[in-house]
Amino acid sequence: NAGVMQNPRHLVRRRGQEARLRCSPMKGHSHVYWYRQLPEEGLKFMVYLQKENIIDESGMPKERFSAEFPKEGPSILRIQQVVRGDSAAYFCASSPITSLSRNEQFFGPGTRLTVL
Amino acid sequence: AQTVTQSQPEMSVQEAETVTLSCTYDTSENNYYLFWYKQPPSRQMILVIRQEAYKQQNATENRFSVNFQKAAKSFSLKISDSQLGDTAMYFCAFMSRTDKLIFGTGTRLQVFP
Repeated sequence: NAGVMQNPRHLVRRRGQEARLRCSPMKGHSHVYWYRQLPEEGLKFMVYLQKENIIDESGMPKERFSAEFPKEGPSILRIQQVVRGDSAAYFCASSPITSLSRNEQFFGPGTRLTVL
Repeated sequence: AQTVTQSQPEMSVQEAETVTLSCTYDTSENNYYLFWYKQPPSRQMILVIRQEAYKQQNATENRFSVNFQKAAKSFSLKISDSQLGDTAMYFCAFMSRTDKLIFGTGTRLQVFP
């Protein structure tokens, strides 16, 4: 009964490179959320996805950031041309939420991105 | 827009004592959920306790309880019989109608022996 899995746990990139962060939700969960935590701050919502659909991307920066949750495979958060300000911990959460109720979001261990 | 405010950046408590962490929020919604999450040095986000806004009874989970004041938009966390393992960052969070969590800036709790 594995929890939410994220990989890699640590990722180092040089400025201008691409970063790909992966999230496998808990079994049976079809809803995924991405949050970003800058140093010494709380988590900030980025994007909410269901399988093959983006439900809410109001927290995503307008450029360089994209997210997907394909029918098969993990959810991917992609950051193109990374800059130092992208250095943060990126958390994924999943939920079995239905249209009739709200449920707890189960968090993964996070990916710590460091941009040199 | 909803906001969550935690006005105590740091708190400390002696082992076995009781501590209360404050949280206020702002929303125009009537039905919502509130959460307290714990983030130890491992950085894993761990749910401590949740409260449904339509329930008047305060939630309790073992040593953790909340004081939910809906009219005042206040949601404080009380930790009784504090243990060394309670040392962590604690985040208050509001779940909006769109199901995204809005977090406060956190309170760093240190439990001393």
